[in-house]
Amino acid sequence: DTEVTQTPKHLVMGMTNKKSLKCEQHMGHRAMYWYKQKAKKPPELMFVYSYEKLSINESVPSRFSPECPNSSLLNLHLHALQPEDSALYLCASSWTGGAYEQYFGPGTRLTVT
Amino acid sequence: QQQVKQSPQSLIVQKGGISIINCAYENTAFDYFPWYQQFPGKGPALLIAIRPDVSEKKEGRFTISFNKSAKQFSLHIMDSQPGDSATYFCAATNSGGYQKVTFGTGTKLQVIP
Repeated sequence: DTEVTQTPKHLVMGMTNKKSLKCEQHMGHRAMYWYKQKAKKPPELMFVYSYEKLSINESVPSRFSPECPNSSLLNLHLHALQPEDSALYLCASSWTGGAYEQYFGPGTRLTVT
Repeated sequence: QQQVKQSPQSLIVQKGGISIINCAYENTAFDYFPWYQQFPGKGPALLIAIRPDVSEKKEGRFTISFNKSAKQFSLHIMDSQPGDSATYFCAATNSGGYQKVTFGTGTKLQVIP
């Protein structure tokens, strides 16, 4: 199984809402990632978890809060977002300890109204 | 120094033709160069990857050419098909870090019948 799943596929939220994005993989990968992708742009790294610990935070605003409950799950909690946060949010996973392929999920299309 | 420059931004190729996308990097610490293919509304998927100890890698109709001294690499798609129409991202990373991938800016390929 080489699949990364993400839910929901689409999300519309107001600026005062609290919502969460979910990501799951069962490949035994111990590195998991959140990316943000705007239209016609490459993915932009937000967070990296390695062995369930936050390893990289690319200076992401605190209205985005990641969580890694276990080695298979990754959440992104959203609160008080701005319209400019509307984007495709991608989750990815990979092996650790070297340069390995990252497997991406299909993404969650987020619209902030 | 972390940039990966990619060209062209868009490309139109006739069915059966050769599609060529070029990338250049500056950081000599990069040691893994993947290419990702992304269809609209989907997450990127690894197409093919190369390490700098080889000058060429071929998988089916897809070939990466790598020039370490020039710090350039390119993707060739032979016998291009309409199903190849997608956005292609070159990328680079190094095995010393937490899989922090630097993406090129992307090339939107359209293969016309």
